Amino acid sequence: DADVTQTPRNRITKTGKRIMLECSQTKGHDRMYWYRQDPGLGLRLIYYSFDVKDINKGEISDGYSVSRQAQAKFSLSLESAIPNQTALYFCATSDSSSTSDEQFFGPGTRLTVL
Amino acid sequence: SQQGEEDPQALSIQEGENATMNCSYKTSINNLQWYRQNSGRGLVHLILIRSNEREKHSGRLRVTLDTSKKSSSLLITASRAADTASYFCATASYGNNRLAFGKGNQVVVIP
Repeated sequence: DADVTQTPRNRITKTGKRIMLECSQTKGHDRMYWYRQDPGLGLRLIYYSFDVKDINKGEISDGYSVSRQAQAKFSLSLESAIPNQTALYFCATSDSSSTSDEQFFGPGTRLTVL
Repeated sequence: SQQGEEDPQALSIQEGENATMNCSYKTSINNLQWYRQNSGRGLVHLILIRSNEREKHSGRLRVTLDTSKKSSSLLITASRAADTASYFCATASYGNNRLAFGKGNQVVVIP
């Protein structure tokens, strides 16, 4: 979905490095989410935010941090990357005023930690 | 933990056939949604069914919901090669503005 963009699209890094993944949206949605996807495990929620400066832990937040300084941007950081954080990362948005609860996903960031 | 669990995990069918996949969940829900993911790409919302609905249609998609059995099914009729993708169910619970995704069904439609 071009309305939700993620940078970078691919990243290879080494163990111990700090990594930041960026998500931007032009949909005007107030809610944003970070997920990771691993083969055979579906999507797991890392962090979510319902408004600027609002931060909530998901089911697998250990080793990650996030920042929501503006409504349109939600960044995910790995302070010290480790190999088991190798995964496909997705950002998603939703509109709290919508009755559909639909989430809109970005194209994903493929992260490899060596 | 995963709320939804799709079954079967992988399905291979001929173009024109119907594809059915199932999803079960454990807790009470507000609604259940189905998403499609083409290889390595972001998920795209397909259809949503609310807990007070039993069946819903959208184009070639038909979704059913049985809250007594805590299960849902997604039927794709007259499948096309372009339907080749992974399909995920996701549940939204009352008072919890998050989605819990299942592990996904991989569907391959052979031309």
